[in-house]
Amino acid sequence: GENVEQHPSTLSVQEGDSAVIKCTYSDSASNYFPWYKQELGKGPQLIIDIRSNVGEKKDQRIAVTLNKTAKHFSLHITETQPEDSAVYFCAASIGVWGSQGNLIFGKGTKLSVKP
Amino acid sequence: DSGVTQTPKHLITATGQRVTLRCSPRSGDLSVYWYQQSLDQGLQFLIQYYNGEERAKGNILERFSAQQFPDLHSELNLSSLELGDSALYFCASSSLALGAKETQYFGPGTRLLVL
Repeated sequence: GENVEQHPSTLSVQEGDSAVIKCTYSDSASNYFPWYKQELGKGPQLIIDIRSNVGEKKDQRIAVTLNKTAKHFSLHITETQPEDSAVYFCAASIGVWGSQGNLIFGKGTKLSVKP
Repeated sequence: DSGVTQTPKHLITATGQRVTLRCSPRSGDLSVYWYQQSLDQGLQFLIQYYNGEERAKGNILERFSAQQFPDLHSELNLSSLELGDSALYFCASSSLALGAKETQYFGPGTRLLVL
């Protein structure tokens, strides 16, 4: 079955710096890659996602890149702010329209942004 | 607020007991997913229902069962509880309608503590 590896497990940056979190997946059939942010005491919240027919996607300070050949995808956060501090999870799934597969999650990255 | 509701928020019980966790999906979403989050195992997929029928099974123990009712709410039943079942249990929902985004929206979770 699918396996998702996520690195690093913890990341500390200064406010205003960039943060990069990387994930690799094992099943080449995976075609949907969301990123979730989880704050303390809350459920995971989708922040950005990408499908396998797209190499890069950007939403304001957040971007995700996907390399299908190498089977890895990355989350990039620019101009980090203290409110970006949280645990970030990558995930992968196999799904076609109308038949979304379950998500396989990485172990998470605890991001700390120091003021 | 994702639109997914879960009750109760916290649950404390003893080993050997049985509990029921409840989830109401976002309005219009037909699919419900259950995930378990523990410190050592991370976020793990348990089971998925679509419009009342079981769609996929993950690492769900035989002591655990779930169902989705005609009004689309779902319940996760955990029986013969063990200390190791202590975890956060999340419900997520998605539309799965043809052409709809495959995003899974997570609820706030139920924190289960087995003493």
